[in-house]
Amino acid sequence: EPEVTQTPSHQVTQMGQEVILRCVPISNHLYFYWYRQILGQKVEFLVSFYNNEISEKSEIFDDQFSVERPDGSNFTLKIRSTKLEDSAMYFCASSLQGAHSGNTIYFGEGSWLTVV
Amino acid sequence: AQSVAQPEDQVNVAEGNPLTVKCTYSVSGNPYLFWYVQYPNRGLQFLLKYITGDNLVKGSYGFEAEFNKSQTSFHLKKPSALVSDSALYFCAVSPGSSNTGKLIFGQGTTLQVKP
Repeated sequence: EPEVTQTPSHQVTQMGQEVILRCVPISNHLYFYWYRQILGQKVEFLVSFYNNEISEKSEIFDDQFSVERPDGSNFTLKIRSTKLEDSAMYFCASSLQGAHSGNTIYFGEGSWLTVV
Repeated sequence: AQSVAQPEDQVNVAEGNPLTVKCTYSVSGNPYLFWYVQYPNRGLQFLLKYITGDNLVKGSYGFEAEFNKSQTSFHLKKPSALVSDSALYFCAVSPGSSNTGKLIFGQGTTLQVKP
């Protein structure tokens, strides 16, 4: 069964450093997302991406964050200058037509980011 | 404001007994509702969804959920719990007014099934 894959599974970084989290969404999907979860708590929406542009972003997704789909398969989340409070599990997700069309959103296994 | 509430942080049930994990929502428009399960240090796995039609939907691993529009609820149920069902369960909604397809998640409910 097709799945969303994420790398790295775990990254430790110094505060102030740039981090890039990578994702390969399911191949025929058109909607892409990043969510984050702090220590097994609520899953928070960060950003949605469709047709090569951001379609919605949350208040968490400030100027330190950016997303890119550099080729036909990868979808990346960049944090420009990490802060301690960025420590979280980051989930990439994709959907064929988006949950607003009743389509399921499929999640990757997550990238656990620890900022020290 | 659009939101999803899971009123119980934890649900404890004995193996073999029925289980219910509660979810209520507040969104504009007709919602699409989802349940996901998360095992420790894993991603979110899709269990089931309600789009339209029959209010009782069936999903993976013997789970089902009942959509109740008047009570704005979408409770997850299983007739006979297994120890292996112990996990963190999330209810989520896609607001009918959204065109970005994002999900709004509840805070999660830990299900503990004891042998």
